[in-house]
Amino acid sequence: QVTLRESGPALVKPTQTLTLTCTFSGFSLSTRGMCLSWVRQPPGKALEWLARIDWDDAKFYNTSLKTRLTISKDTSKNQVVLRMTNMDRVDTGTYYCARTFYYETSGSEGMDVWGQGTTVTVSS
Amino acid sequence: SYVLTQPPSVSVAPGKTANIPCGGDNIGIKSVQWYQQKPGQAPVLVIYYDSDRPSGIPERFSGSNSGNTATLTISSVEAGDEGDYFCQVWETGSSQYVFGGGTEVTVL
Repeated sequence: QVTLRESGPALVKPTQTLTLTCTFSGFSLSTRGMCLSWVRQPPGKALEWLARIDWDDAKFYNTSLKTRLTISKDTSKNQVVLRMTNMDRVDTGTYYCARTFYYETSGSEGMDVWGQGTTVTVSS
Repeated sequence: SYVLTQPPSVSVAPGKTANIPCGGDNIGIKSVQWYQQKPGQAPVLVIYYDSDRPSGIPERFSGSNSGNTATLTISSVEAGDEGDYFCQVWETGSSQYVFGGGTEVTVL
């Protein structure tokens, strides 16, 4: 059974750095085709993809947020960490991590298992 | 940057068919995914690679993709199908995922 759980602070102050951890089980991020994405959702708004890290340690970022984001993985701990600097009130929302698969030969891909999400409020 | 356009809402009577469009420039050459999100819950993948269904997703959910429009079709709609639906693609040029703005499906 594949599970993911996000953890991190519920409240951060403007200009601070947010650090979120996704702890997962039931799959290995070393397996070819396995990736992990972070997605956020402001209250009442659409999903916004933030970053993805792949089995081979390739990293991809939302170009609009790239300068503020860092994604990394610890395969031995089954964890992926996302850091977002210079937090602002507009960054308030629910942050999800999601197992992502990508199979190069077929082009098949998707985010097939999601964590329950963690709510982050940015306020002084 | 690449933009995916969805209608804000779609209403459908129980037992009827709901078609949810997702527009994008030449989206037909991309792999499109669809996610269902119910209030207070995490999204669920219902269609990947344009028309494939993950295990556990009913056959009532299907997808198609051609030209500038991808479509999620829900047949024999049930009350439990209410929620928000988001389309998603990988934009090769900028190497990033893009989500549509979401469509709220209401069962009348």
